[in-house]
Amino acid sequence: GENVEQHPSTLSVQEGDSAVIKCTYSDSASNYFPWYKQELGKGPQLIIDIRSNVGEKKDQRIAVTLNKTAKHFSLHITETQPEDSAVYFCALRGGSNYKLTFGKGTLLTVNP
Amino acid sequence: NAGVMQNPRHLVRRRGQEARLRCSPMKGHSHVYWYRQLPEEGLKFMVYLQKENIIDESGMPKERFSAEFPKEGPSILRIQQVVRGDSAAYFCASSPARGYEQYFGPGTRLTVT
Repeated sequence: GENVEQHPSTLSVQEGDSAVIKCTYSDSASNYFPWYKQELGKGPQLIIDIRSNVGEKKDQRIAVTLNKTAKHFSLHITETQPEDSAVYFCALRGGSNYKLTFGKGTLLTVNP
Repeated sequence: NAGVMQNPRHLVRRRGQEARLRCSPMKGHSHVYWYRQLPEEGLKFMVYLQKENIIDESGMPKERFSAEFPKEGPSILRIQQVVRGDSAAYFCASSPARGYEQYFGPGTRLTVT
């Protein structure tokens, strides 16, 4: 079945620095990889996603890279701001085309 | 353009009572998914529904849990005879069709005392 490991579990950076969160998976049938941001007391918010036929995708300060051979994908946030502080979850979807499997999350703290 | 709506936001139940969680998908979305989040854990898939149909309930405990998405009205996740271990945040997501992005609601935080 689908499984995803997310690292690190906590990440603290200074404002303006970059943050990188990495997820690895085992099922080669996985073909869709979204990232969600969850603020305290709120639901997960989709911030960026990538499909298996693309290696990289950018949206302003956020980028996601996918290495299908090595079975890992990463979230990159540049020029971090205090409002980027939240828990970030990677997820993936495979052959079912609907069931998302989530990592355990990374608590990102951006210190002003 | 309202997003996914869930109510109640917080629900407290004593052991043995029933919990009913409601989810209204985004406008134009007819596919609903329920996920459960335990403290400091990622979300776990429970059930996938389309209007009047349960497509996949493989992530839902066989006993005490049920879900529906009627032709009219919100999707309902029902937990009978709640136990302390049911305490969690329950999130609903919706999409316009299978294979599309899933957008999540704010969740219902269930506490069983």
